[in-house]
Amino acid sequence: AQSVTQPDIHITVSEGASLELRCNYSYGATPYLFWYVQSPGQGLQLLLKYFSGDTLVQGIKGFEAEFKRSQSSFNLRKPSVHWSDAAEYFCAVGAAPHTGGGNKLTFGTGTQLKVEL
Amino acid sequence: DAGVIQSPRHEVTEMGQEVTLRCKPISGHNSLFWYRQTMMRGLELLIYFNNNVPIDDSGMPEDRFSAKMPNASFSTLKIQPSEPRDSAVYFCASGGRLYGYTFGSGTRLTVV
Repeated sequence: AQSVTQPDIHITVSEGASLELRCNYSYGATPYLFWYVQSPGQGLQLLLKYFSGDTLVQGIKGFEAEFKRSQSSFNLRKPSVHWSDAAEYFCAVGAAPHTGGGNKLTFGTGTQLKVEL
Repeated sequence: DAGVIQSPRHEVTEMGQEVTLRCKPISGHNSLFWYRQTMMRGLELLIYFNNNVPIDDSGMPEDRFSAKMPNASFSTLKIQPSEPRDSAVYFCASGGRLYGYTFGSGTRLTVV
């Protein structure tokens, strides 16, 4: 069974500081990994995704994530946080494209980011 | 591209009433997903369709819940009869592993 763990429920950082949100996954085959962001009252917006290739992937809004197979992790980072980044962030895992798995995505429980001015 | 369109945005209904949530996926996406989000349980996959065919409905909580996808451009999630514990935000998403997954803005359901 596939699962995602986001160990930090809440994180507070100062504006301009760096950010790292943790994500650990469990998946029996080649994973397809995602980070989504959700602002209050909104749907989920895709920040970035990883399937193969360079293990450091760039996303929108200045975010990046690094896939580490040995640690089953896919942590999200941003060098300098802006107040507008305050939101909830979700990591998700699914079967990689062109593999035998279905289209199901499993989400973590989310990390709520607060940005102090 | 108008994205995934859900209606209504908000629904308040009385316990026992039938509720129908609607979703129009992005044209060309052959997979559609219904998720439910609550504070207690987070994001839960209820059901998903490939090419209009239900593939996995193991997340549908009870027989009171049903979903249909009569064609590639429309899906419904129905709750009959509704109960207060069904109150949540229901999201529709379309896409798949090749395209990525795009979420709608959700329907906030309140059952009183």
